[in-house]
Amino acid sequence: KAGVTQTPRYLIKTRGQQVTLSCSPISGHRSVSWYQQTPGQGLQFLFEYFSETQRNKGNFPGRFSGRQFSNSRSEMNVSTLELGDSALYLCASSGAGQGISGANVLTFGAGSRLTVL
Amino acid sequence: DAKTTQPPSMDCAEGRAANLPCNHSTISGNEYVYWYRQIHSQGPQYIIHGLKNNETNEMASLIITEDRKSSTLILPHATLRDTAVYYCIVRVGAFSANFGNEKLTFGTGTRLTIIP
Repeated sequence: KAGVTQTPRYLIKTRGQQVTLSCSPISGHRSVSWYQQTPGQGLQFLFEYFSETQRNKGNFPGRFSGRQFSNSRSEMNVSTLELGDSALYLCASSGAGQGISGANVLTFGAGSRLTVL
Repeated sequence: DAKTTQPPSMDCAEGRAANLPCNHSTISGNEYVYWYRQIHSQGPQYIIHGLKNNETNEMASLIITEDRKSSTLILPHATLRDTAVYYCIVRVGAFSANFGNEKLTFGTGTRLTIIP
């Protein structure tokens, strides 16, 4: 089955602009989470959506927002871009739990690389 | 804060077994251990997970200590394509009351370099 698809893969913006990134999860997955990865910072959790509801949010300013649609596709938006927002933005989807054990495997997309000039 | 501790880097000779340790001394009874790897700016790739028993799949083996406070990921015959950053994370199972209330953190992982 198709994996997690993120668009666009690469984009360049200037300070003050806003950007919208899109994520299409694996078919049947209802949870979508977003991460920011910058050099030296590792993967930092942004937020998670489940059935169109934001279930959890990381420690990022309000300029970072997201939403999830009824088909589980998700978008994240960053407004008033700053140089420090340059990063690889990763989306991951997961199902409700695999089997009786309830293990929850995240499947990541290839990411959207944002450069802010 | 990350709930796991990993060495920042390791080297392994090609063809040998790569053993990557992870400390998760504060793991709770309903938390799983997951391993992912990230190859140069690609999205992290799932490798394996476990709760309390040792696990093996086509990619790797996962050895979890009896007290569950640490684990080791074993790549049995490392190849150059295994050069990557390896992340060990813990997360509650999907049927836990706390599921979905965590801010999942990956830490800095272990940069594994396979030497020809």
